[in-house]
Amino acid sequence: DTGVSQDPRHKITKRGQNVTFRCDPISEHNRLYWYRQTLGQGPEFLTYFQNEAQLEKSRLLSDRFSAERPKGSFSTLEIQRTEQGDSAMYLCASTSIGVQGASYNEQFFGPGTRLTVL
Amino acid sequence: AQKVTQAQTEISVVEKEDVTLDCVYETRDTTYYLFWYKQPPSGELVFLIRRNSFDEQNEISGRYSWNFQKSTSSFNFTITASQVVDSAVYFCASPSDSWGKLQFGAGTQVVVTP
Repeated sequence: DTGVSQDPRHKITKRGQNVTFRCDPISEHNRLYWYRQTLGQGPEFLTYFQNEAQLEKSRLLSDRFSAERPKGSFSTLEIQRTEQGDSAMYLCASTSIGVQGASYNEQFFGPGTRLTVL
Repeated sequence: AQKVTQAQTEISVVEKEDVTLDCVYETRDTTYYLFWYKQPPSGELVFLIRRNSFDEQNEISGRYSWNFQKSTSSFNFTITASQVVDSAVYFCASPSDSWGKLQFGAGTQVVVTP
């Protein structure tokens, strides 16, 4: 079990550029979440997938954001036309949904991708 | 709507002192789960403990213990005999719906000095 991995760990970009982040969850996990964390705050939910289906998107996820999870394995989060307000740590988490439901199981987090928009 | 509150922004202690972190969880749900996560300087959130709303027994696991009181909506976490490696931000969290998306408190920075 190699844990959840994210790539890149750091990304510096200029305002207006597009960026894409990748998350590789723990292989047997069927649920994948994306969160965003700004300095001094707790993570905030962005979106999640059950296998390859994106089931919910937060209102924090504007039209410039898109996420995919093809084949129910890795996931990508793309931000188009980045703005300085997008600067944050983007965290990916995965879990396996058992008989006790999604609320019971702990989520395993990756190391995050820190985005800086200049 | 649910609300997770961590009123303490930072706690500084000297090594070997005990540290207690406060968390207040407000909800109308009768069944819920509460989690504590640790975020060291490396940034990766690490799961520590889970508690369900049915069980108010205090428990101890190694240097960690927790005290859940449903009547006051408090879920406090204690590190006994703190070590420098305990320096991190600690988050209290709970699923905000049945789909499991977590709602986090603002976190408490713990600084343990030698």
